[in-house]
Amino acid sequence: DTGVSQDPRHKITKRGQNVTFRCDPISEHNRLYWYRQTLGQGPEFLTYFQNEAQLEKSRLLSDRFSAERPKGSFSTLEIQRTEQGDSAMYLCASSQGQGVYGYTFGSGTRLTVV
Amino acid sequence: GIQVEQSPPDLILQEGANSTLRCNFSDSVNNLQWFHQNPWGQLINLFYIPSGTKQNGRLSATTVATERYSLLYISSSQTTDSGVYFCAVKPSNQFYFGTGTSLTVIP
Repeated sequence: DTGVSQDPRHKITKRGQNVTFRCDPISEHNRLYWYRQTLGQGPEFLTYFQNEAQLEKSRLLSDRFSAERPKGSFSTLEIQRTEQGDSAMYLCASSQGQGVYGYTFGSGTRLTVV
Repeated sequence: GIQVEQSPPDLILQEGANSTLRCNFSDSVNNLQWFHQNPWGQLINLFYIPSGTKQNGRLSATTVATERYSLLYISSSQTTDSGVYFCAVKPSNQFYFGTGTSLTVIP
């Protein structure tokens, strides 16, 4: 297993455009998490899935954000009508169950909105 | 949510020097983890340390849960230790991260 994969690594988009990111977790992990990290800050939780069910959403996840994990495997995070404030690193992580053992982060997708 | 504070925010070391990074957290937790974020953005697990002391090579960590702080020690620092060090606590499903300590080790 190659760990948690995220695609693309970098994305530059114009304000107002929609963007979609993909995360492929470690195959045996049933939980998948999205975090956002702005410059100089630690990652902040956005949402998580257990299998295909989205069980928790942060207040940071505005109406313009939507996340899916249709078959309990990979996940997508879409941002509609991007704003400059959306510029950040979007990190995905996966785990088996609630514990911290095996909680693994991907390398992230860096979004720049111009 | 839980507040996690880290100090110092920035640290510059000569190669070979030792350092101590501190993490204070606002509530009692039974999950605390130290991460290293490399220059490419990858977060690497260093220690899962809800209490007590652990060592892994040149790195060691101590958590005093009753006093709500944790320390990360780096000895004989190397240039490859550069990056940002985060502590994070996980009371339920999500990690709460501190703002990190940015470490630069110069040769």
